[in-house]
Amino acid sequence: GAVVSQHPSWVICKSGTSVKIECRSLDFQATTMFWYRQFPKQSLMLMATSNEGSKATYEQGVEKDKFLINHASLTLSTLTVTSAHPEDSSFYICSVTGRQETQYFGPGTRLLVL
Amino acid sequence: RKEVEQDPGPFNVPEGATVAFNCTYSNSASQSFFWYRQDCRKEPKLLMSVYSSGNEDGRFTAQLNRASQYISLLIRDSKLSDSATYLCVVTVYNFNKFYFGSGTKLNVKP
Repeated sequence: GAVVSQHPSWVICKSGTSVKIECRSLDFQATTMFWYRQFPKQSLMLMATSNEGSKATYEQGVEKDKFLINHASLTLSTLTVTSAHPEDSSFYICSVTGRQETQYFGPGTRLLVL
Repeated sequence: RKEVEQDPGPFNVPEGATVAFNCTYSNSASQSFFWYRQDCRKEPKLLMSVYSSGNEDGRFTAQLNRASQYISLLIRDSKLSDSATYLCVVTVYNFNKFYFGSGTKLNVKP
């Protein structure tokens, strides 16, 4: 399966700052990566599909200007939470589709906005 | 209606018990089905894929019922280490969409 890393694993920031989260596919070239968000005791919610070399596809209700996605290479996608607010505090997880359509997840990034 | 629905539980069972979870999906065009396990404050990890013919991996058995649009997971001889949240995942549209259930929490007690 694919090995996926995320950085940072957790971040605390002040309201109004921007936070960048990196997702790397370590042993698999990924033309597509997925970004999810999970609030406590809730399911993972797909935010957007990150496409290498082109614009990301955002799910309904997700603001593309708020959550900037860049997929500059086959192994790296970044999610930037711009002007973060306390309601953006969540667990952000990326994933890569590996063999047999299984998804391999990064370890996640916990964001706390004060 | 949600794409994928699960009973949130929790299911509280003693060690050694057999426990089963179901997960229903709404889109008849769903193509692939998976069970993932998520431990507290961790990312989901693949437990097993669910094939049309059903599949078994040790103490875990997964079944697919396309007519009734549900998948199931059976855990035999529960271990304390099985305590986790079990997520079912369904894909549609050439695997470009993955839908997660909200998860079923299992607590295995001594």
